[in-house]
Amino acid sequence: GAVVSQHPSRVICKSGTSVKIECRSLDFQATTMFWYRQFPKQSLMLMATSNEGSKATYEQGVEKDKFLINHASLTLSTLTVTSAHPEDSSFYICSARPNQGCNQPQHFGDGTRLSIL
Amino acid sequence: AQKVTQAQTEISVVEKEDVTLDCVYETRDTTYYLFWYKQPPSGELVFLIRRNSFDEQNEISGRYSWNFQKSTSSFNFTITASQVVDSAVYFCALSEVTSGSRLTFGEGTQLTVNP
Repeated sequence: GAVVSQHPSRVICKSGTSVKIECRSLDFQATTMFWYRQFPKQSLMLMATSNEGSKATYEQGVEKDKFLINHASLTLSTLTVTSAHPEDSSFYICSARPNQGCNQPQHFGDGTRLSIL
Repeated sequence: AQKVTQAQTEISVVEKEDVTLDCVYETRDTTYYLFWYKQPPSGELVFLIRRNSFDEQNEISGRYSWNFQKSTSSFNFTITASQVVDSAVYFCALSEVTSGSRLTFGEGTQLTVNP
């Protein structure tokens, strides 16, 4: 089945560091990828929709300058948390929607657990 | 606007009991998809099922079954003869075709199956 690789799986950094998370579709192309954030014991909240070759669409309340998204190819989207602070500590999950077929379901990566000290 | 409600925050059962996880949704679209995902403690999301709005047939997959009722906007999930390995957080989610496949998740139900 379709596989989405998300890297790294866990990051521990000092406050002020910028952290890049990669989301890769391994066996399919995805014009559209999604980034979600999940705080402990809470649900997944969509942060932004990443579109290959164009600007990402951010959800209300998500700072685009804080969470930089780059979707430069049909198999890779990156999320960079700039100047991360402890309140950015969270579980970040990406998903990718295959281009092939109609209304294909999203495939999720395994998530990145970000801890900012 | 789309919304998913999982009223049960936590459920605790003893192994071999049957358990039903409730999911109620709101949408203005006539074409939409409903999902269930399992999130074990390791964090990854495990896809369980997708159902489109035009298919109200109930589905059974092993010990799992789903009851989709448009009349009550519900998509409930039942685990029969629960096992300890079923312990996880379960999320119900909704995707409207008009919203470009964006998923809206419910708050999740923490299921604990005790031996």
